[in-house]
Amino acid sequence: DTGVSQNPRHKITKRGQNVTFRCDPISEHNRLYWYRQTLGQGPEFLTYFQNEAQLEKSRLLSDRFSAERPKGSFSTLEIQRTEQGDSAMYLCASSSRGGRYDTEAFFGQGTRLTVV
Amino acid sequence: GENVEQHPSTLSVQEGDSAVIKCTYSDSASNYFPWYKQELGKGPQLIIDIRSNVGEKKDQRIAVTLNKTAKHFSLHITETQPEDSAVYFCAASHSGGGADGLTFGKGTHLIIQP
Repeated sequence: DTGVSQNPRHKITKRGQNVTFRCDPISEHNRLYWYRQTLGQGPEFLTYFQNEAQLEKSRLLSDRFSAERPKGSFSTLEIQRTEQGDSAMYLCASSSRGGRYDTEAFFGQGTRLTVV
Repeated sequence: GENVEQHPSTLSVQEGDSAVIKCTYSDSASNYFPWYKQELGKGPQLIIDIRSNVGEKKDQRIAVTLNKTAKHFSLHITETQPEDSAVYFCAASHSGGGADGLTFGKGTHLIIQP
């Protein structure tokens, strides 16, 4: 499978615990994005990377959230001191920057986080 | 910031009929308008996109129109089939492509009645 891969698919955690999600983009893609989707809503942009550089962060990305892409390949999203409001689907996507425009962005299947 | 409104929230059509989903956006700087299809338990999948330098784009049974003056864009699906049943999202950004800073609508649940 050469698509965007996210792990784990599901995560249940107690409030106050830290969680980390992983995203493996399509191998030749240099851009990687994180989105959050709550039930019945469209995805909301969190942040994106070009190679290992984090180029943009949404105001939704509070100081409890941190994302890394250390070698410009896979990325991790960590949430510290989780709150019930963090319960959502966390989606990762990737694309390539080529020429004037980016290529099509492909989304992974997401990690569903439930904070109890 | 950008605000994208999407209507209707639910659309039920008979198999073989056409379906139209409409979106409006607020930021005149937006130049990229993708449409995504999301099936249960899966991530969004791009089905068609349009940039602000064109007014219409078609790919087989799917077409998208853009009216920059009125700041609205629409998705048209003709000859609907059961496999078209899903949630459809419109989105807008000023990045020209990819998924940088997309603002999504709230989605339309399309139901194809056999």
